[in-house]
Amino acid sequence: DVKVTQSSRYLVKRTGEKVFLECVQDMDHENMFWYRQDPGLGLRLIYFSYDVKMKEKGDIPEGYSVSREKKERFSLILESASTNQTSMYLCASSPPATFEAFFGQGTRLTVV
Amino acid sequence: DAKTTQPPSMDCAEGRAANLPCNHSTISGNEYVYWYRQIHSQGPQYIIHGLKNNETNEMASLIITEDRKSSTLILPHATLRDTAVYYCIVRVGGGTSYGKLTFGQGTILTVHP
Repeated sequence: DVKVTQSSRYLVKRTGEKVFLECVQDMDHENMFWYRQDPGLGLRLIYFSYDVKMKEKGDIPEGYSVSREKKERFSLILESASTNQTSMYLCASSPPATFEAFFGQGTRLTVV
Repeated sequence: DAKTTQPPSMDCAEGRAANLPCNHSTISGNEYVYWYRQIHSQGPQYIIHGLKNNETNEMASLIITEDRKSSTLILPHATLRDTAVYYCIVRVGGGTSYGKLTFGQGTILTVHP
C-alpha cells in the first residue's frame, strides 16, 4: 500500500521557535509537495521539489523553507514560527508527468 | 488553467448513485480533468482523471461531455464513508507544473442512511 507519512498529527509550538515538519514517502516518487489548508482558503502550495536537492517556490513560500537531501524525505521548516502559521500542513508526492498525487494525513500545527 | 465551478453541497441516500457535476467551460484541448476527495481530518485522495473519454475505475466513473465543458463524477453505490468534500481540478501538464494542484472549495457530499 502506497504511503506518505508525516511525522506528527498534532504539534504545538511557541512563537519564534524553529519548527521542522517531516514527510517520508515509500513510492520512489520524484515530486514532493507541501501545502497548507485553512478554512475558506482551500489548499495552498508552499513549496515543491521535483528532485533531490531541487526546490521551487509555490504560491505562499514566505516564512518557510524546505530541504530534500534524500529522494524519500521532504522537510518543511518554519524558521521563526508565528501565530499566522497555525494551520493544517499536508505533504504529498507524485510520479513525474502526472497530477495523481498521494497525500499524507496532515499535521495540525498550532503556534501559541 | 481553466476555472471550475461545483455546487457547494449535495446530498445522497446510501446505496444510491451520487452524481457530482463540475463545469469547466473554458477548458482547453490539452487540459485534463482530475477528481479528488477529502474525508474529514484526512489528506486529499485521488479518485480518477480523464481527458475526453469516459473513464471508470474501482472507485468511480467520470463522464466528460463531448464538448468537454463539463463533467460528472459518479459514485455508483454511495456509502456513508463516501461523505467528503469532492474537488474537480483542471490542469495542463508540462515541465515542473506536474503535481501542482489548485483546490477550490469543492462540493460537500453528505450520504444519508
